[in-house]
Amino acid sequence: GQQLNQSPQSMFIQEGEDVSMNCTSSSIFNTWLWYKQDPGEGPVLLIALYKAGELTSNGRLTAQFGITRKDSFLNISASIPSDVGIYFCAGRSLTGANSKLTFGKGITLSVRP
Amino acid sequence: NAGVMQNPRHLVRRRGQEARLRCSPMKGHSHVYWYRQLPEEGLKFMVYLQKENIIDESGMPKERFSAEFPKEGPSILRIQQVVRGDSAAYFCASSPGTGGPIHPSGANVLTFGAGSRLTVL
Repeated sequence: GQQLNQSPQSMFIQEGEDVSMNCTSSSIFNTWLWYKQDPGEGPVLLIALYKAGELTSNGRLTAQFGITRKDSFLNISASIPSDVGIYFCAGRSLTGANSKLTFGKGITLSVRP
Repeated sequence: NAGVMQNPRHLVRRRGQEARLRCSPMKGHSHVYWYRQLPEEGLKFMVYLQKENIIDESGMPKERFSAEFPKEGPSILRIQQVVRGDSAAYFCASSPGTGGPIHPSGANVLTFGAGSRLTVL
């Protein structure tokens, strides 16, 4: 089946630092999404990407849809303590606008004050 | 404008009992998805439903698990004769479907609920 790869499993950064997360796949996706999950809560959408090569920003977050359609990255600039959480990438295949999302295993981000 | 509502938030069952998890999608959303999350794992797709129809159940275990989304009322994920391995967080998500706001590309975004955490003793 389709798989999205995120690594490392955990990242530790200092408050104020920038951090970049990558997500790769062996399959092509036509939509890439980045979600953040806080403890005890459901995932919340951060950024959605719909077009190969697209670069989108949301405040301190920037994400890009790789031109091969097989990868995406998320950058967080000037990290703050509330950036702590699990960051998931998710992709939707070419088959149908309402088809399921496939998720990576997530990266747990820790921010040291 | 309430989001995706899931209940119960926490459910404890003994082995062999039944678990019923409910999900009310966002207002105006007609598509519901169920995902399961195990500790330190991502979200695994289980089933995708529209009103009264199962569209994709490729992630559902073949036995003991069932899902429905009736014409009236919430979507329900039912687990019969629970075992310890069923302990997990179960998330529901909804999307507008073709009748709602759609990005120019035609793709809809999923909005997730806060999840139901099942513990099997």
